[in-house]
Amino acid sequence: RKEVEQDPGPFNVPEGATVAFNCTYSNSASQSFFWYRQDCRKEPKLLMSVYSSGNEDGRFTAQLNRASQYISLLIRDSKLSDSATYLCVSLSGGYNKLIFGAGTRLAVHP
Amino acid sequence: GAVVSQHPSWVICKSGTSVKIECRSLDFQATTMFWYRQFPKQSLMLMATSNEGSKATYEQGVEKDKFLINHASLTLSTLTVTSAHPEDSSFYICSASGQPVVAYNSPLHFGNGTRLTVT
Repeated sequence: RKEVEQDPGPFNVPEGATVAFNCTYSNSASQSFFWYRQDCRKEPKLLMSVYSSGNEDGRFTAQLNRASQYISLLIRDSKLSDSATYLCVSLSGGYNKLIFGAGTRLAVHP
Repeated sequence: GAVVSQHPSWVICKSGTSVKIECRSLDFQATTMFWYRQFPKQSLMLMATSNEGSKATYEQGVEKDKFLINHASLTLSTLTVTSAHPEDSSFYICSASGQPVVAYNSPLHFGNGTRLTVT
């Protein structure tokens, strides 16, 4: 089983829609998580850090459920520019390593 | 914000040659740099962790003699793919942290990546 698992998608949604991605992790010792977005053939860019129960940044809300070991990312009022692959990332406890999920593709259409 | 510069952005080389990729932190001192590799439609896989002035720590399955890492200063790390073969063709990305330990409030910043094609 992979340490961080994501639904690969793609999620095809119209502009203005609300979309949610889930991510599960297997290492219960992981303390911190991140969501990165990656555009095709580009480097990942940090979207949000997730530490406690979650946090919100504009149209983006991340939630962490430690009991069920999953993290979610909610995007409200989707824009065309939100089309990308969203990477769920776990900070491996005690090893200073980021473990990446394979990513969830989002395609927002007019 | 923190900027990490990676060079070259893309390179095509012949099988058997060596390729050097540079990763620089432009506005902070990077105690630790990480090298990742990403194959199409797959996740980023950590290859090695390099700390300034010491030997790199390689992940299981990564050949240290094939992927030479040098972190000679706090702003520069290099990855050399020696005797490259077509199966080494991939997207190589470096990342850096200004802190010795990555944390939720000290995330990694990534270079722009190097697309290597070995013919």
